[in-house]
Amino acid sequence: QVTLKESGPALVKPTQTLTLTCTFSGFSLSTSAMRVSWIRQPPGKALEWLARIDWDDDKFYSTSLKTRLTISKDTSKNQVVLTMTNMDPVDTATYYCARGYDPFDFWGQGTLVTVSS
Amino acid sequence: SSELTQDPAVSVALGQTVRITCQGDSLRSYYAGWYQQKPGQAPLLVIYGKNNRPSGIPDRFSGSSSGNTASLTITGAQAEDEADYYCHSRDSSGDHVVFGGGTKLTVL
Repeated sequence: QVTLKESGPALVKPTQTLTLTCTFSGFSLSTSAMRVSWIRQPPGKALEWLARIDWDDDKFYSTSLKTRLTISKDTSKNQVVLTMTNMDPVDTATYYCARGYDPFDFWGQGTLVTVSS
Repeated sequence: SSELTQDPAVSVALGQTVRITCQGDSLRSYYAGWYQQKPGQAPLLVIYGKNNRPSGIPDRFSGSSSGNTASLTITGAQAEDEADYYCHSRDSSGDHVVFGGGTKLTVL
């Protein structure tokens, strides 16, 4: 049974760095062809892909956000971490982690992050 | 272009067939994936690849593609199918993913 769960702060201040953790079970990110991605969704708006990390530690980032994002994995803990620097109120969104890339076959429940002073 | 375009809203009478479309240049090279999202819930994969349904997805959901347009068809729409539907595809680089703007499906 594959599950993913996001964790992190619900509220961050502008200019701060956001750190989110995705803890998963039911698969291993050391298995060939496994990938985990981060996707976000501002309230009432569409989904936006942010980043992905592969089993071989390859990393890919949204072109528009790549200067602010870092993705990493801890295979022993079954975790993937996303950091986003210089947070702004427009970054207020539900942040999801999901297994895969094309397609995203399992998703976490999402965590709402509000950026406000 | 790496954009995917969807109609903002579509409606269908209960039990009838509805097609939700997604347009973009990348769809000439890559298949679309389709996700159903109900209020307050995470997206759920309903169609991927040429026309594949994950386990547990009813067979009234099907996918197709022609040129730069991908389609999700619901044959015999049910009340529980009322949701937002998002398409996605790889972009021209193949290493990034783009999502459509979403289609709100209303079942009348």
